[in-house]
Amino acid sequence: ETGVTQTPRHLVMGMTNKKSLKCEQHLGHNAMYWYKQSAKKPLELMFVYNFKEQTENNSVPSRFSPECPNSSHLFLHLHTLQPEDSALYLCASSQDSPRGNTIYFGEGSWLTVV
Amino acid sequence: AQTVTQSQPEMSVQEAETVTLSCTYDTSESDYYLFWYKQPPSRQMILVIRQEAYKQQNATENRFSVNFQKAAKSFSLKISDSQLGDAAMYFCAFRGGSEKLVFGKGTKLTVNP
Repeated sequence: ETGVTQTPRHLVMGMTNKKSLKCEQHLGHNAMYWYKQSAKKPLELMFVYNFKEQTENNSVPSRFSPECPNSSHLFLHLHTLQPEDSALYLCASSQDSPRGNTIYFGEGSWLTVV
Repeated sequence: AQTVTQSQPEMSVQEAETVTLSCTYDTSESDYYLFWYKQPPSRQMILVIRQEAYKQQNATENRFSVNFQKAAKSFSLKISDSQLGDAAMYFCAFRGGSEKLVFGKGTKLTVNP
């Protein structure tokens, strides 16, 4: 238990569906992140939120839409995904995102697009 | 852009033995941090150890230690007295001025009883 909780843990969705991934952190951190982990690829940073403001969008397609209503919650809204979007999506948090602060990860949400 | 290279896709070690996982990185920055994360089958990324680039002393955490060679841009992880629970994917990661955490592709460690 690292203090970062992701739901659902597993999600199967069709290409025309709309679904959301949820992340909640109980660590009092100010920065939250979405990472994508695909087979045989390094982890890819998708989005960074710092004090609820998006500070990084790593050229992510618009079919992925993040939302950060407060410093403890982060969502990833999914719409008209492609099969190649199937992956493990990891949420993470840290304090203020200065380079030295450790990033703590959740257990991930397995997404399968059919 | 920074890159992190883990040249060993897979490694194996006998229980109670020592194993070293390699990591090299490329950067023009002088102030940065390096991390080793462990990802067991549960898929949760767990911090193993971290190193500040400005510190010459190698970081240690119980059975885990690093060999940080700044000039060579090398950051290897040594696991002593390996245990079955050490079996996992190990990721080396770099964090510099851009504040992005850049990961290597990982090394799968198998611990044989």
